[in-house]
Amino acid sequence: DVKVTQSSRYLVKRTGEKVFLECVQDMDHENMFWYRQDPGLGLRLIYFSYDVKMKEKGDIPEGYSVSREKKERFSLILESASTNQTSMYLCATADWGQGQYFGPGTRLTVT
Amino acid sequence: QKEVEQNSGPLSVPEGAIASLNCTYSDRGSQSFFWYRQYSGKSPELIMFIYSNGDKEDGRFTAQLNKASQYVSLLIRDSQPSDSATYLCAVPVFGNEKLTFGTGTRLTIIP
Repeated sequence: DVKVTQSSRYLVKRTGEKVFLECVQDMDHENMFWYRQDPGLGLRLIYFSYDVKMKEKGDIPEGYSVSREKKERFSLILESASTNQTSMYLCATADWGQGQYFGPGTRLTVT
Repeated sequence: QKEVEQNSGPLSVPEGAIASLNCTYSDRGSQSFFWYRQYSGKSPELIMFIYSNGDKEDGRFTAQLNKASQYVSLLIRDSQPSDSATYLCAVPVFGNEKLTFGTGTRLTIIP
């Protein structure tokens, strides 16, 4: 079974703070993804990575950056958190052609 | 036209009946299709994928693909209250492991 873990289930941060969300997978998958999910807007891709140190912007990269120094770990960074970044953040991992597997999610609240 | 479209529902089905969920897609070149189930407050879970025209069965779930008409369906037989969830259809983006997700259909099984 694929196991994808995320560093926190719930997180509360203040406006302007730097926020790190971490995702770790144990299946040696090449591809990893960060999404946010908001009511009525569905899943929106922020960034994805298809190899160590490789990354591509998704549909809504503004205000976010990512880091992938090791194959199993993909971090999402909010450089200066804002209230409009309050959301559910989902990490996913994928093997080629087999679909994506999601972690449990981090519900981030920025006050 | 959106790339992947689903009726948002809610779809209410009596317990024991067949629930039918539909998804249409715009890219005629799409080769594979994925169905995810998402319980409220949880992350999406991959439940089925289908690559070729016709039906694919897995327990109470059947995925049906019609490439000529560009739709994919998910049938749930003998619906149970535990099937109440939002069901997301997803189609790969050509050339990589990104997925385009529909906005999901909320299904409620009525005891």
